[in-house]
Amino acid sequence: GQQVMQIPQYQHVQEGEDFTTYCNSSTTLSNIQWYKQRPGGHPVFLIQLVKSGEVKKQKRLTFQFGEAKKNSSLHITATQTTDVGTYFCAGPIQGAQKLVFGQGTRLTINP
Amino acid sequence: NAGVTQTPKFQVLKTGQSMTLQCAQDMNHEYMSWYRQDPGMGLRLIHYSVGAGITDQGEVPNGYNVSRSTTEDFPLRLLSAAPSQTSVYFCASRQSGGGETQYFGPGTRLLVL
Repeated sequence: GQQVMQIPQYQHVQEGEDFTTYCNSSTTLSNIQWYKQRPGGHPVFLIQLVKSGEVKKQKRLTFQFGEAKKNSSLHITATQTTDVGTYFCAGPIQGAQKLVFGQGTRLTINP
Repeated sequence: NAGVTQTPKFQVLKTGQSMTLQCAQDMNHEYMSWYRQDPGMGLRLIHYSVGAGITDQGEVPNGYNVSRSTTEDFPLRLLSAAPSQTSVYFCASRQSGGGETQYFGPGTRLLVL
């Protein structure tokens, strides 16, 4: 089964509201990556977290990697319509040979 | 650089037909992989390759074959298409090692009737 779980599956917000998606792994990850896929598009790399407890920011996006390196989150402050899409986390398993993705969180925004 | 290219963009098959989805990258990446994307299932790894001549199975390999004769190309073969293989297929590549950015192709939308 899927080893990287992501919640929620869907999230609908009003423009300006915040949004958070959570990612959990059954095993410790050496790193975690986040991707964004716009409707009809392909996944595009956003960021990678490597260190335990790491926090990185990209403008309104904040990414966190848990202390145990088993969970991660992506938080968007004051969403905009350009944030619409599906956000995926991904982690390497089996000695980094395989990059496995979570199910993704689809974000829709009411303008 | 063109990055990762995939052909065709769209394909309709009848049950039992065979076809090959093409994938090529011009970034000299060692690692290439194929994913399928179905609603609510995210991206599931079909097969991957860590270099020319080396392939391995992912999460959902049944019904698919791959080969890696060159660094650039990583075709995905459906030997006998089934309706359950209706999906969007993405090819991806990256440098070797687990911490490298993965680049995706534009995808192939496959419908099996």
